Amino acid sequence: DIQMTQSPSTLSASVGDRVTITCRASQSISSWLAWYQQKPGKAPKLLIQMASVLEGGVPSRFSGSGSGTEFTLTISSLQPDDFASYYCQQYSGVVTFGQGTKLEIK
Amino acid sequence: EVQLVESGGGLVQPGGSLRLSCSVSGFTVSNNYMTWVRQAPGKGLEWVSVIHSVGSTYYADSVKGRFTISRDNSKNTVFLQMNSLRGEDTAVYYCARGSGSMDVWGQGATVTVSS
Repeated sequence: DIQMTQSPSTLSASVGDRVTITCRASQSISSWLAWYQQKPGKAPKLLIQMASVLEGGVPSRFSGSGSGTEFTLTISSLQPDDFASYYCQQYSGVVTFGQGTKLEIK
Repeated sequence: EVQLVESGGGLVQPGGSLRLSCSVSGFTVSNNYMTWVRQAPGKGLEWVSVIHSVGSTYYADSVKGRFTISRDNSKNTVFLQMNSLRGEDTAVYYCARGSGSMDVWGQGATVTVSS
């Protein structure tokens, strides 16, 4: 199976900060990558598919980039609602998720 | 409104069985890929199983031979039959639409395997 490695595991930031989360695949997955946001006790929410395509209704401060094995999720200006956990997921082969990044308030 | 509602979770002893249901409204399960994903307490997301629109099914190695995914088109519902349950199957189980990126998720059903 394709392994997905996210970094960092935890990220402390303040409202208004620009933050970036990185996801690396153990082999090339082209652009078959999604990003999800999950809040405690809630289901994941799809933010981005195909590495960079923003889902409808997702604020434009979220963006995704990358292809092959290196991907990033960027939040341009953190808002209070953005403090949550984020997961990358590849769907080039059998679906696998990254281990997650918890975005905390500094 | 597009909605997925899971049910059937609960406490079960090791070796026991449980059947989860995912009742769908707002779209037709037979025309979509439907996936089960689970999340152990305090852990990340783990893909469990998928049923394709044509009926093909696939499983994670960790559940292969013990879990079965199916659907009832007349009830617009997807099921996950879980047999020979183990402690490591304890998790919140989510059903979701899609087999790659998953755009609609249910609220989750909690399965606890313990004696």
